Amino acid sequence: LAKTTQPISMDSYEGQEVNITCSHNNIATNDYITWYQQFPSQGPRFIIQGYKTKVTNEVASLFIPADRKSSTLSLPRVSLSDTAVYYCLVGALPLSGGYNKLIFGAGTRLAVHP
Amino acid sequence: TAGITQAPTSQILAAGRSMTLRCTQDMRHNAMYWYRQDLGLGLRLIHYSNTAGTTGKGEVPDGYSVSRANTDDFPLTLASAVPSQTSVYFCASSDSGQGVYNEQFFGPGTRLTVL
Repeated sequence: LAKTTQPISMDSYEGQEVNITCSHNNIATNDYITWYQQFPSQGPRFIIQGYKTKVTNEVASLFIPADRKSSTLSLPRVSLSDTAVYYCLVGALPLSGGYNKLIFGAGTRLAVHP
Repeated sequence: TAGITQAPTSQILAAGRSMTLRCTQDMRHNAMYWYRQDLGLGLRLIHYSNTAGTTGKGEVPDGYSVSRANTDDFPLTLASAVPSQTSVYFCASSDSGQGVYNEQFFGPGTRLTVL
């Protein structure tokens, strides 16, 4: 089952682009890659999800190479409000009897400075 | 809409006592999940339910039980709490039949301290 590895923390400044990479060497064929954002005392919130290549939405981009063993979340022009913990999740829904893990990484704590 | 609500917000519980954490969603999602979040360990899946009437074990199910009598509610029960169950518990739901395949919606969490 896929295990994910992310940097523990990152620092950035307002207006910069931030790239957070997650490694998932044992990703399975039917696994998707999903990123969540979490603020203190709140539940995680969905940011973006992809299977391969590049996905972009109004808040982020997700880059996934052809071998799918890693993924990079890109946050353009971050602001102070982007200070949060970012989690990479590898898995597939719905869960089945033989696949009982949704693997969250330990998270990357992003601090955005003025 | 409220989305997902959890109760209580926080609780201090004596070891050996039982407790049920409540989770209710109003989005009519077919799947629901319980996670625990411990410092430095991210979120770990305890139990899940793909649809009303069915449940499954996650990564760390020991010491916990769940039921799914209807679509909206997914209570988590600790039969005899131990200090290692001190954690923040998050309930989540997803409608994996439509839209984004893996998007889960999370509740605000319950902070449980077992002494």
